[in-house]
Amino acid sequence: IAGITQAPTSQILAAGRRMTLRCTQDMRHNAMYWYRQDLGLGLRLIHYSNTAGTTGKGEVPDGYSVSRANTDDFPLTLASAVPSQTSVYFCASSRQGGTGELFFGEGSRLTVL
Amino acid sequence: GESVGLHLPTLSVQEGDNSIINCAYSNSASDYFIWYKQESGKGPQFIIDIRSNMDKRQGQRVTVLLNKTVKHLSLQIAATQPGDSAVYFCAENGSGGGADGLTFGKGTHLIIQP
Repeated sequence: IAGITQAPTSQILAAGRRMTLRCTQDMRHNAMYWYRQDLGLGLRLIHYSNTAGTTGKGEVPDGYSVSRANTDDFPLTLASAVPSQTSVYFCASSRQGGTGELFFGEGSRLTVL
Repeated sequence: GESVGLHLPTLSVQEGDNSIINCAYSNSASDYFIWYKQESGKGPQFIIDIRSNMDKRQGQRVTVLLNKTVKHLSLQIAATQPGDSAVYFCAENGSGGGADGLTFGKGTHLIIQP
């Protein structure tokens, strides 16, 4: 059982470059989420999607965009990366938005130089 | 604004002792709470959850207590083992109406001493 798969696991990126973090789930969950994790700040929600075709902004959406063309995939794009986007990014999913357990991927460590 | 936080950033306990990790939340609209464990280099893993219509829930070696009067949540781990060493996060669903995911606390690092 794969659950949530994220790629890449780690990436070093020059400032100003475009980057897409991939996330795929095989649990047929309706809701998917992107969080960033920074020391001392915990996990902060970037964007979410309650169902395919819909997305919403979380706590820290600036500089990021998402799409949800189908149930399984929820890519996160940094259009023009900046050093403050250096972080560990976690994708998660849940059966329904708003309640229930979130299942997390193993994370993507991004360094923007 | 609304926030979920933890009282102590680091908790050190002796192996075999019980651990208690505390969490304060401020959003009275929250009706679902959850504890996650995160080991180094890994994603958060579900431990136990509780709904606001309950004040206690038990799992295997873990108990979550919810005090809605003082907006306090705690995680009790019985007979702490080396494998319990991790960062523990509490989370709640009250912010933004719940449909936009969980709001997490900043985490408590549990250290197990031999």
